[in-house]
Amino acid sequence: DAGVTQTPRHEVAEKGQTIILKCEPVSGHNDLFWYRQTKIQGLELLSYFRSKSLMEDGGAFKDRFKAEMLNSSFSTLKIQPTEPKDSAVYLCASSSRGRPEVFFGKGTRLTVV
Amino acid sequence: GDSVTQTEGLVTLTEGLPVMLNCTYQSTYSPFLFWYVQHLNEAPKLLLKSFTDNKRPEHQGFHATLHKSSSSFHLQKSSAQLSDSALYYCALSDRNYGSSGNKLIFGIGTLLSVKP
Repeated sequence: DAGVTQTPRHEVAEKGQTIILKCEPVSGHNDLFWYRQTKIQGLELLSYFRSKSLMEDGGAFKDRFKAEMLNSSFSTLKIQPTEPKDSAVYLCASSSRGRPEVFFGKGTRLTVV
Repeated sequence: GDSVTQTEGLVTLTEGLPVMLNCTYQSTYSPFLFWYVQHLNEAPKLLLKSFTDNKRPEHQGFHATLHKSSSSFHLQKSSAQLSDSALYYCALSDRNYGSSGNKLIFGIGTLLSVKP
């Protein structure tokens, strides 16, 4: 089985640019999550989808971050406009109803200069 | 709100010594507790999950015991190996899927560095 796939693995953006990160969850999973990973804050939840419906949209990230789930096998995270403080690793994860294990992708490392 | 606390940001050990990484939590319900491990340039992966029947989960020599009285789920191993060097996250989720699905709330993470 394929795991969670994230592209690109690395992204460099100039301040003010729009970037789109992509995620393909494990086939058949109902839940999809976007997390931001930093050394200071650890793993922070950005968005949570259940069966393609947005269940939670992290309050602190609402203004410039937008996650979408176009179909059950593809999600995007748009950051617009980017700021240097957005430099972090963005992790996508998925899980299925009835099994509490969450599977993560390897992440996209974003650097905003 | 619910939260997970990991008090050590960095733990440095000599190979062969015992490992203990601390994790405490606050929750209004009785959650599942997890330990995830992330090696360099890899995805976080599930290491351990708490059981409902108070069994002690074990994997790759690691174990953790859920103590509801102290709201703790510390990670332990009797003898550290060089390959154990990684970032360890403690996390919790609601047992009631209908409430918040499998959403995980994480601690800040503990970096374990094992030296020869």
